[in-house]
Amino acid sequence: DAKTTQPTSMDCAEGRAANLPCNHSTISGNEYVYWYRQIHSQGPQYIIHGLKNNETNEMASLIITEDRKSSTLILPHATLRDTAVYYCILKGYGQNFVFGPGTRLSVLP
Amino acid sequence: NAGVTQTPKFQVLKTGQSMTLQCAQDMNHNSMYWYRQDPGMGLRLIYYSASEGTTDKGEVPNGYNVSRLNKREFSLRLESAAPSQTSVYFCASSDRPGSFDEQFFGPGTRLTVL
Repeated sequence: DAKTTQPTSMDCAEGRAANLPCNHSTISGNEYVYWYRQIHSQGPQYIIHGLKNNETNEMASLIITEDRKSSTLILPHATLRDTAVYYCILKGYGQNFVFGPGTRLSVLP
Repeated sequence: NAGVTQTPKFQVLKTGQSMTLQCAQDMNHNSMYWYRQDPGMGLRLIYYSASEGTTDKGEVPNGYNVSRLNKREFSLRLESAAPSQTSVYFCASSDRPGSFDEQFFGPGTRLTVL
């Protein structure tokens, strides 16, 4: 059974922020939230991960709600090269990654 | 630093043929993984090797075998290919077994079984 729920697809205008939601209402206390993306059937690429605090790196920001039941990946200025499938994944220590179908983000010119 | 490399990039087999997919990483990672991805689906874990000398089954191991040849290399073998094994195969590696380290993926092998 999927541990996360994501919209099937989303559109975003080039240059605008892309906000990708993820619901994980059954998250356990030791599970981190990870985001990966897959561009045009290439191998998945790691973006960011977090436990309960918001995180930011050079690619994106991750906002996790206080109850940890949902999160949002933010790409601050989406470009055409950000068009990809984005995967939200929960992972605890010793567990393997489980990839669901993800969200297909289309960045439109 | 090539990261994770996979060979071949493309392969067509007939039902019943065998083949080995090769994967190598140059990041000195301990753990390596094999996934398959069917059209429109997420990745599913076939086998993994937490460290050199160990291998474990993932979600969909039937019809496959693996060998962790050394710390760098992890191969996936199809002994008798079936059309249901038509898929894209990705190899990945990470540093510490079971940790929260991210995984690094190879470019994939596109396999068609006729």
